Parts: sequence; C-alpha cells; structure tokens
Amino acid sequence: AQSVTQPDIHITVSEGASLELRCNYSYGATPYLFWYVQSPGQGLQLLLKYFSGDTLVQGIKGFEAEFKRSQSSFNLRKPSVHWSDAAEYFCAVGALTSGTYKYIFGTGTRLKVLA
Amino acid sequence: GAVVSQHPSRVICKSGTSVKIECRSLDFQATTMFWYRQFPKQSLMLMATSNEGSKATYEQGVEKDKFLINHASLTLSTLTVTSAHPEDSSFYICSARTQGVRELFFGEGSRLTVL
Repeated sequence: AQSVTQPDIHITVSEGASLELRCNYSYGATPYLFWYVQSPGQGLQLLLKYFSGDTLVQGIKGFEAEFKRSQSSFNLRKPSVHWSDAAEYFCAVGALTSGTYKYIFGTGTRLKVLA
Repeated sequence: GAVVSQHPSRVICKSGTSVKIECRSLDFQATTMFWYRQFPKQSLMLMATSNEGSKATYEQGVEKDKFLINHASLTLSTLTVTSAHPEDSSFYICSARTQGVRELFFGEGSRLTVL
C-alpha cells in the first residue's frame, strides 16, 4: 500500500526566508503527487501537482516542487516566504490500489512565519 | 476549476441522533468521491471511496454501519453518521474526481460536534 511521510511536523521561518517542506512516498510505481495548503477550519487548496514529465513543477503563490524518483521525494519550496503563507501543508499521493485510485495524505507540516 | 460543495458546513447534534452531510459536484460529473475525516491538528484520514452507483469501499477500521455512504448520482454523495456519539465529532471533508481526470477537488468540509 502507498504511504506518505512528512518528516517535519512544525517548521518556523522568518518572513522573506526560503522554505523547503519535505515529502517522501512509498509506492511501487510513480504515483500522482500533490501539495495542498489548509488554513484553520478551512478546506484544502491545491498548490501544485505532478503527474509526469518535467520533474520541477510550478504552482500557485510562488511555490514549486521537485519530483525525485531516486529519492521517492516531492519536496515543496518557496524562495521567499510571506506572512500569509502560515498554514498547514499536506503532501498527498494518488495511486492505483486494487483497481481504484486512492489518495493518501501525509501527516502535514505546520508552517509558522515570524515577522 | 471544478467546484465541490459540502453542506452543512457546521452541525451540532445530540448524542444518539443521525446526521447527514451532503457533497455535491457543481460543474462536473463526479464518478468517484472520497470521504475523509480530520481530527484537530491532524492529517486527513481516508474513510471510504465511492463510485457512482456502487457500494462504497471502506478503509480498514472504519465502521460501515456507523458511516453510511451513498453515491446515487454523478453529482451527489452523502455521508450519514448514524447514532452519533461525542467521539464522532470531527471535521469531515469530501473530495471528488471525474473519470480520466487525475486531480481531486475538495469540498469546504463539515464540522460535526456531537453533544
């Protein structure tokens, strides 16, 4: 079965600093990969996705992510963090399981931004 | 992008009663819908996957008789929490995808509080 690991539960960065959120997955083939952001009490907003092709994908709000097959990773990056980026970030994997696509989420990383 | 609407966004009920949460795809045909449960400050846990016109497939550990899922049309799925108890209090999120599209679209979530 597929699984998703986000090693960092909490990350704190200063506004303007760069950010990298880690995501590792376990699956026999290349899954669909997603990053979502969730503000408190809200639903999920898709930041970016990877299905195939160019391993560096650009998303909304200045985020990007790089798929590295050799490391089974899909880390999220942003060169300069804004205070409004403070939220919970979830990495998700979509993969075919018993004939149905399932989408499994990592445990999330809570980002705090210091002024 | 595609829109998924959940209703109600918040519901408070007494212990022992049943609560129904609706998930609608407003501008596309949702061939598959997923129901997730999220505890405070935790990740999304997949509860079940439902394909239109078929019985839902529940994840291990999820009680089928407590969480009734119906996906009778291509635009509507419902989750009924039967005989709710305080431990069922949680944030429930639905998501949907259409055949041939790999991306998931999420509802805004429904917060259930059982007194």
